[in-house]
Amino acid sequence: AQKITQTQPGMFVQEKEAVTLDCTYDTSDPSYGLFWYKQPSSGEMIFLIYQGSYDQQNATEGRYSLNFQKARKSANLVISASQLGDSAMYFCARFNGGATNKLIFGTGTLLAVQP
Amino acid sequence: DTEVTQTPKHLVMGMTNKKSLKCEQHMGHRAMYWYKQKAKKPPELMFVYSYEKLSINESVPSRFSPECPNSSLLNLHLHALQPEDSALYLCASSQDGIASGQETQYFGPGTRLLVL
Repeated sequence: AQKITQTQPGMFVQEKEAVTLDCTYDTSDPSYGLFWYKQPSSGEMIFLIYQGSYDQQNATEGRYSLNFQKARKSANLVISASQLGDSAMYFCARFNGGATNKLIFGTGTLLAVQP
Repeated sequence: DTEVTQTPKHLVMGMTNKKSLKCEQHMGHRAMYWYKQKAKKPPELMFVYSYEKLSINESVPSRFSPECPNSSLLNLHLHALQPEDSALYLCASSQDGIASGQETQYFGPGTRLLVL
C-alpha cells in the first residue's frame, strides 16, 4: 500500500494565527490527487481541499491552501487566520493507486486553536 | 448540495441483535462507500459500490452485509457483532468510483455503534 505520513500528532495555534499541517506521501503513479479532510469531535469528515498532481498552481479554498511540493512528495495544509471552530482532527488522504478507488488516510493531526 | 445523510446517529446493540445502518445521498453520485473508524485512528475502507455493484470488499467479516438498493441508498446490515466492532461507521459517495485517483469523496456524519 502506498503510504501517507502525518508526523504531527497534535498541534496548538493561537486564534488568528496561521498554522501548517504536514503531509508526505509515497507514490509511483504519475497522476494522482491529494485531499485534506477535517473531522470535528462530532465525527463528520468534511472535505476541505484537493490538489491534483498535474495542477500548475497550489490549491486554495478560502482560508485553506495547499503547499504542494511534488518533488519532495509533500502536500502541507496551511490554515490562515485560525478560528476556534478550526479545532479538529485533520487527515491527509490520497488514492491507493491501481484499479481501485480506495482512499488511504494518514494518521491525522489534532489541531487545538487557543483563544 | 454535498450532503450525505446517515441514520441512526447512535446505535447500541447486543451481540445477538440484527440491525441496519442507512446512508442516502442526492448528489447523483454512482459510487458509495462504507468506512469503519476506531477512536483516534483514520477511517478504514470496508466496501465500495459502483453503479450499484459491489466493487470492493476489504475482507470484511460476513457479520457485516452491505446492500445498495439503488444509486442513492446504501445499507449496512449488522448481525451477531462483537464488542470490538464498536466504532464510528462512515458512509461516503463520489461521482462514479472510477479509479481516476482524483474523485472527491463526500462523507456523512456517521453512525456511532456500540456493541454490548
